[in-house]
Amino acid sequence: EEQLLESGGALVQPGGSLRLSCAASGFTFSDSAMSWVRQAPGKGLEWVSTFSGSAGGTYYSDSVKGRFTISRDNSKNTLFLQMNSLRVDDTAVYYCARDKPMTTLIDCWGQGTLVTVSS
Amino acid sequence: QLVLTQSPSASASLGASVKLTCTLSSGYSSYAIAWHQQQPDKGPRYLMKVNRDGSHTKGDGIPDRFSGSSSGAERSLIISSVQSEDEADYYCQTWGTGGVFGGGTKLTVL
Repeated sequence: EEQLLESGGALVQPGGSLRLSCAASGFTFSDSAMSWVRQAPGKGLEWVSTFSGSAGGTYYSDSVKGRFTISRDNSKNTLFLQMNSLRVDDTAVYYCARDKPMTTLIDCWGQGTLVTVSS
Repeated sequence: QLVLTQSPSASASLGASVKLTCTLSSGYSSYAIAWHQQQPDKGPRYLMKVNRDGSHTKGDGIPDRFSGSSSGAERSLIISSVQSEDEADYYCQTWGTGGVFGGGTKLTVL
């Protein structure tokens, strides 16, 4: 069974940093494009960042570019999101997601981890 | 700029059919999209991919009452014989220069 399990969410002060992890299992992680998607309280889904599979490219939304860094460790089947210079409006549940093979469309989601940025 | 437009809300009576629509912005009418369901207080779940020709590929375990269709720039999710557990938010998603989500449609089952 394909599974994604996020961890690392916490309460952090504005300007602080946090690193999220996503442990993948049940599929060939190294071949898969992986993404982070977030959802602020009461709002819709917002794409944050994608790390492509074999091509190795990284992509960011304008709202996080320069502050967040996506990375992956294929030997440990783990995706990361390093979040720096956090702002109050970064408060959200962060979901890890996998793209459907040979597409740029998500077909598998994690359960999410909550990041709260507040003083 | 690639934008996905969804109606904010929809409703359907128990056992009836409902069609939710996602419209691709001008110039992007050939793009495939994915539909995702988010039940109250849960994470999203992938439902299906819908191609420009209306063909669709569902995720594992998605009930037969869920199907997809396409017409021009519109990609639709059809739920036949709506059940109470179908009350949820539904999001369409695609990729332009980055990931793109529609604003979501909140489906209420009457």
